[in-house]
Amino acid sequence: DTEVTQTPKHLVMGMTNKKSLKCEQHMGHRAMYWYKQKAKKPPELMFVYSYEKLSINESVPSRFSPECPNSSLLNLHLHALQPEDSALYLCASSQDWEGEADTQYFGPGTRLTVL
Amino acid sequence: GQNIDQPTEMTATEGAIVQINCTYQTSGFNGLFWYQQHAGEAPTFLSYNVLDGLEEKGRFSSFLSRSKGYSYLLLKELQMKDSASYLCAVINYNQGGKLIFGQGTELSVKP
Repeated sequence: DTEVTQTPKHLVMGMTNKKSLKCEQHMGHRAMYWYKQKAKKPPELMFVYSYEKLSINESVPSRFSPECPNSSLLNLHLHALQPEDSALYLCASSQDWEGEADTQYFGPGTRLTVL
Repeated sequence: GQNIDQPTEMTATEGAIVQINCTYQTSGFNGLFWYQQHAGEAPTFLSYNVLDGLEEKGRFSSFLSRSKGYSYLLLKELQMKDSASYLCAVINYNQGGKLIFGQGTELSVKP
């Protein structure tokens, strides 16, 4: 089973709203990722968690706040977003970070629209 | 610096064979991935190459030449459902295992 699940599938929010994206995997993976993807562009890495600790923040604005409550769950808290933040947000997981054969498996994504 | 190049678009006919090329220049290299992504969906893992040579998986094969910084994805017996974006990505442990993606190749399969 290589399934990563994400909720919600779609989200529309105003610039003053606070919302959260959720991601879950039950593959025993120790690394989890958030990516942002705009139309016809490749995914852009935002954050990496390894063993529930933040390993990489790709200079993401503070209006995006990641959280890893346990090894299976990853959240992305959103606050005071801008319309240009509208995108597909993808979660991924892999066996390890900086290990061998670290294939990343992606979830179906959350389509976010900021009005 | 890092640079990964792949064609932006390709068109092929149902039942045919298509080869999608990817060239890369990176400061470190620990493997190359190919992902398939249908519009509005998640990238799906297709293949991983770390040693030179050809890896075959059903209708899909992936080739790597480390000395040339070159890979290709070969799709045989094309089906309409193969219409998708194909992403080449290099993993580089000099950058802590980050996946560096190419811009993707949009493949259209026509009847």
